[in-house]
Formats: sequence, structure tokens, C-alpha cells
Amino acid sequence: NAGVTQTPKFQVLKTGQSMTLQCAQDMNHEYMSWYRQDPGMGLRLIHYSVGAGITDQGEVPNGYNVSRSTTEDFPLRLLSAAPSQTSVYFCASSSKQGAGYGYTFGSGTRLTVV
Amino acid sequence: DAKTTQPNSMESNEEEPVHLPCNHSTISGTDYIHWYRQLPSQGPEYVIHGLTSNVNNRMASLAIAEDRKSSTLILHRATLRDAAVYYCILSHNAGNNRKLIWGLGTSLAVNP
Repeated sequence: NAGVTQTPKFQVLKTGQSMTLQCAQDMNHEYMSWYRQDPGMGLRLIHYSVGAGITDQGEVPNGYNVSRSTTEDFPLRLLSAAPSQTSVYFCASSSKQGAGYGYTFGSGTRLTVV
Repeated sequence: DAKTTQPNSMESNEEEPVHLPCNHSTISGTDYIHWYRQLPSQGPEYVIHGLTSNVNNRMASLAIAEDRKSSTLILHRATLRDAAVYYCILSHNAGNNRKLIWGLGTSLAVNP
């Protein structure tokens, strides 16, 4: 089915390790973004991209890097994992950048940093 | 930024209509009202959105107050599959980005 695919679904990291969360969409969407979801808080924007080669920071970008070399892929890199990065991460895409367009979300990556 | 206020939880019976309220008294003229729902262990799912007029789609209806300070998501006939957390979100353009303010949502239970 068309949509947003995230891998892996679960990951346990040791403090200081690095890893890449993968996100791919097959809907030719311009806009892609990464959110984290923590208990008792709403989703918070980490990074976003309005097209291939263009990325920018969201509300909570520290400790994360992104790149967008193709329209389809938008990986999120954790540079040196910390326990505070334990969270559920969602990738989302939208056909256009504007506020009047809905998102399609992936099923999430549950990350635990020990 | 404007914020939304929703009841923490609501309960409904299967095959009955459900009205999920949302207050957004500080909404600005450029804020869109979006609704998403999230089933356990899944990503949020788009339900509906609107700006000023009421909206209908295959999943639900969105009723927006005339002063836009509140809105109501209407599920016409609840099913067990509609049990989820429903988020009312305001979205506006911010530079080349869009800003979405997520609240804690309403947890909807559907009784058989």
C-alpha cells in the first residue's frame, strides 16, 4: 500500500551510540517531517523538509541531523544517543507545505536509550 | 501560539453518533483546524480539516462555530474501530514551514 514507511519499528541503543531512523514515502509528497511523541506531551517537530535538498530545524532539533537527497527518503540521524532521546518517533509527509494540507504518518519507531 | 482544549476522555456506544468538542478561543484568522486520531501503537491518522466552513468526508464531519472559537468532530455512527485518541490541532503557515500545535487529545472509548 502507498504511504509512509518507517524502519526499524523498535530499537534499543546504548548512550553515545549513533543510528539512523529511515523514512520513505511513495506518494511524491513535497513536504516531510520528523516528530517525537513523549508521554504527557503532544507531538513535537524535530526537523522538516519542503523538498529534495532543503531541510530546516523544528522545535527540538538538538542531537538530530537530517538530509533529503531524494523526494522519497528523509532519514533522521541520532548523533550520540542520550536517555532523553528515548521516545516514539514519527515521520510524516504532505503533498504540499501549506497549513491547509493533511499529513500522512508512518507507524513509528519506538527508541529506547539505556 | 493558540492552543486547543479537549476533554481527556469520552465514552460512546457502538452505532451511536459521537460529538467530540474542542475549544480554541485564541485561534487566529489564518489557523486551520485539523483533527487526527491515533490508535494504540500506530501513527496519527488524518481525519478532517477546515478553515471556516463545516466540512464532511467519508470518515467524519467537522462543525466549526461561527466565531471559530470552538469546533466539533462528529462521528456519525461509532464503531469499535473508532476507539482512539482524537487530537484537535491548529495549523498555520510559519515562513516556509507550517506550525502545528498538538494537545493531549481525547481518548474515546466505544462500548459494544
